[in-house]
Amino acid sequence: AQKVTQAQTEISVVEKEDVTLDCVYETRDTTYYLFWYKQPPSGELVFLIRRNSFDEQNEISGRYSWNFQKSTSSFNFTITASQVVDSAVYFCALETSGSRLTFGEGTQLTVNP
Amino acid sequence: DGGITQSPKYLFRKEGQNVTLSCEQNLNHDAMYWYRQDPGQGLRLIYYSQIVNDFQKGDIAEGYSVSREKKESFPLTVTSAQKNPTAFYLCASSTTVYSNQPQHFGDGTRLSIL
Repeated sequence: AQKVTQAQTEISVVEKEDVTLDCVYETRDTTYYLFWYKQPPSGELVFLIRRNSFDEQNEISGRYSWNFQKSTSSFNFTITASQVVDSAVYFCALETSGSRLTFGEGTQLTVNP
Repeated sequence: DGGITQSPKYLFRKEGQNVTLSCEQNLNHDAMYWYRQDPGQGLRLIYYSQIVNDFQKGDIAEGYSVSREKKESFPLTVTSAQKNPTAFYLCASSTTVYSNQPQHFGDGTRLSIL
């Protein structure tokens, strides 16, 4: 069985603060893929990043960065210098070979001006 | 532009009524999915389809039905057997099932009970 836990249900920050969204996963498979999606108020899920289990390199894309640590089964997402437009629900998800995508319960991020 | 179109955006159901949610994609994807999202919860899989004329139950299929007569279309019917249908419904597609490729999502349909 596989599971994704996003312990932070809601986070509220002031604009320009850095914020980290935590994601912890469970799987017995050695090959798996991790995803982050953003769900703005409009409702659609927007794909942000995919990482496979063999690639532990951290990734940076503009103000977004991801820290993948297999030793702690975590795939955390950091937004640097947050902006109001970053306000959304963020989902972490896990897919293993031959199994379906499993989502965490999401973290509601609110960035206040 | 390629993408997924869901309609309607808002839908109201009367007691004992079946309603159908539309999902169309022009991404030439083989796999399509229906998810249900309740407030404060993640997405739960209702049904998915790997190919035309084939579909499988997800984790919460009871009270729902689907069809896949065309590659582009994967409509979801919420039947009267679904006693708690109020939720946000999202349709998604990917190149194939279990491809480990990102799924592409529509804008969703919000279903409420009258």
